[in-house]
Amino acid sequence: IAGITQAPTSQILAAGRRMTLRCTQDMRHNAMYWYRQDLGLGLRLIHYSNTAGTTGKGEVPDGYSVSRANTDDFPLTLASAVPSQTSVYFCASSLTSGGANEQFFGPGTRLTVL
Amino acid sequence: GNSVTQMEGPVTLSEEAFLTINCTYTATGYPSLFWYVQYPGEGLQLLLKATKADDKGSNKGFEATYRKETTSFHLEKGSVQVSDSAVYFCALYTNAGKSTFGDGTTLTVKP
Repeated sequence: IAGITQAPTSQILAAGRRMTLRCTQDMRHNAMYWYRQDLGLGLRLIHYSNTAGTTGKGEVPDGYSVSRANTDDFPLTLASAVPSQTSVYFCASSLTSGGANEQFFGPGTRLTVL
Repeated sequence: GNSVTQMEGPVTLSEEAFLTINCTYTATGYPSLFWYVQYPGEGLQLLLKATKADDKGSNKGFEATYRKETTSFHLEKGSVQVSDSAVYFCALYTNAGKSTFGDGTTLTVKP
């Protein structure tokens, strides 16, 4: 593994189903983030974690949950998917949550909820 | 709350043309400012950044200057290439760990 990886690459999901998007980084970064990207709306922060064991809510957290059991992994769970959660999801990480640190992005997961 | 406003796209230019993509922001405190680029089918990559007023970030011929007085961070390049075709995002980060991205500007460069 080099950098930040996400799985699956894409998924089609029936409404009401539970889904976990996986994100793993091998850079030993303390901070991790989940965004969704929708046409015309840019990137919107869903949840973030400044360090292992802590999480926080971003701009659009409803319908999503995260956990940060260790430094490397930051899964995003949709407990009961709805069509409005159709989007491209990006995981990112940064060395710390300080303002000067760039974020490194994964390749994204394209999720379609029918 | 914080916000980032980017020039609406799409922007279409001929090769070797001059590029400007405007970005203005509102934020409490003293944010760091970033430009990211996204090529088709990929995640975002850092293009350049500036962490304090009057700093100039530069990379691959792109430049942007952090203007606190006008709360702007406009992206410029003197001569674009076809390979610069991508979506460009302006973003700000605060020390609280919150990040805010603009909506993105799609650039297409034609030969």
